[in-house]
Amino acid sequence: EADIYQTPRYLVIGTGKKITLECSQTMGHDKMYWYQQDPGMELHLIHYSYGVNSTEKGDLSSESTVSRIRTEHFPLTLESARPSHTSQYLCASSVRPDNSPLHFGNGTRLTVT
Amino acid sequence: GESVGLHLPTLSVQEGDNSIINCAYSNSASDYFIWYKQESGKGPQFIIDIRSNMDKRQGQRVTVLLNKTVKHLSLQIAATQPGDSAVYFCAESSSSASKIIFGSGTRLSIRP
Repeated sequence: EADIYQTPRYLVIGTGKKITLECSQTMGHDKMYWYQQDPGMELHLIHYSYGVNSTEKGDLSSESTVSRIRTEHFPLTLESARPSHTSQYLCASSVRPDNSPLHFGNGTRLTVT
Repeated sequence: GESVGLHLPTLSVQEGDNSIINCAYSNSASDYFIWYKQESGKGPQFIIDIRSNMDKRQGQRVTVLLNKTVKHLSLQIAATQPGDSAVYFCAESSSSASKIIFGSGTRLSIRP
């Protein structure tokens, strides 16, 4: 049913490794987002994009970076993972205008040892 | 600052009864509100939304009520079923902010 895909679903890596979390959507949505969520807690916006070549930082300070070279693809990269990055990362997309519901992927659960 | 908060972190309901999940928001400029359902191991799933020019909207077994005077939002689930067990988030946004702010979530559990 999901039209927004995140890979991998689970990832366990060692401190200092570089990782990229993938997110793709097939709905042609202009806006895409990355949220960080600890289990059962609220979602914190870390990055978003209005379209190709547009990226913005969200409310939560993050050491990650994003890129938006294609409409359907919005990868998130951590250059050097740390245990404090252990969390769930959720990707979402929406149509314009701004007041539209978000469509979420099922997330990547990241554990940094 | 802006915040969207929930009154109760957990709610236990008898199967078949109606559930009411409440949410308070603080940004008077918010004009769009959404309820999401998040099941274990999944991303949040859109349930229903409402814009500030309305005070009630109904879907299938769900109703959202908006009281702008007291900045309060509620989600009513009729005839609660085991499949309704999840964490429910309210979220709000305003046209000027272009961002959606999520509350901390209410866990709904169903008693058989």
